[in-house]
Amino acid sequence: LAKTTQPISMDSYEGQEVNITCSHNNIATNDYITWYQQFPSQGPRFIIQGYKTKVTNEVASLFIPADRKSSTLSLPRVSLSDTAVYYCLVHDSSYKLIFGSGTRLLVRP
Amino acid sequence: DVKVTQSSRYLVKRTGEKVFLECVQDMDHENMFWYRQDPGLGLRLIYFSYDVKMKEKGDIPEGYSVSREKKERFSLILESASTNQTSMYLCASSERTYEQYFGPGTRLTVT
Repeated sequence: LAKTTQPISMDSYEGQEVNITCSHNNIATNDYITWYQQFPSQGPRFIIQGYKTKVTNEVASLFIPADRKSSTLSLPRVSLSDTAVYYCLVHDSSYKLIFGSGTRLLVRP
Repeated sequence: DVKVTQSSRYLVKRTGEKVFLECVQDMDHENMFWYRQDPGLGLRLIYFSYDVKMKEKGDIPEGYSVSREKKERFSLILESASTNQTSMYLCASSERTYEQYFGPGTRLTVT
């Protein structure tokens, strides 16, 4: 069975770059890795997805090594409004959905 | 703009009651999902549906059932609510399973 591991929490300061890594073994070989952001009292919101190497959008970058056993969400120059919980989502080899346990990011002034 | 709505933001029910949680999406998505979210446990999939009248069990289906009679609506049913079903319930929809759009959640308290 696939399992994901994320740091429980991270602290940062405004303007810094934040990298959150999700470790995931035994994931589906031909499926995307997705990251979500969740604010209190709201449902998670899609941020970015990727299959391999690097993907960048207006919000974040996603780095995926060739073995796809991990992925790193990179948030450039975070602001206070980036304080949230971040989840990775993968499928295991039987295409079962696996959400990470979430990383609580606190951005300080 | 994509929209997933859930029938209630907050709900209080008594043990043994039958509880219906409704979810509606306006994006004509094929897939719909029900999760529960508990502190320290993240999101856990209860059921999902990839088409009308189709359903698949997720990780924790015990004590729950679902209904999808129309494409836009996916209902979660607690046949006999228990206190251990007190939780935040989140509905989501997607065209593909890895880009899901979530509703605001229903915080259910069973007393």
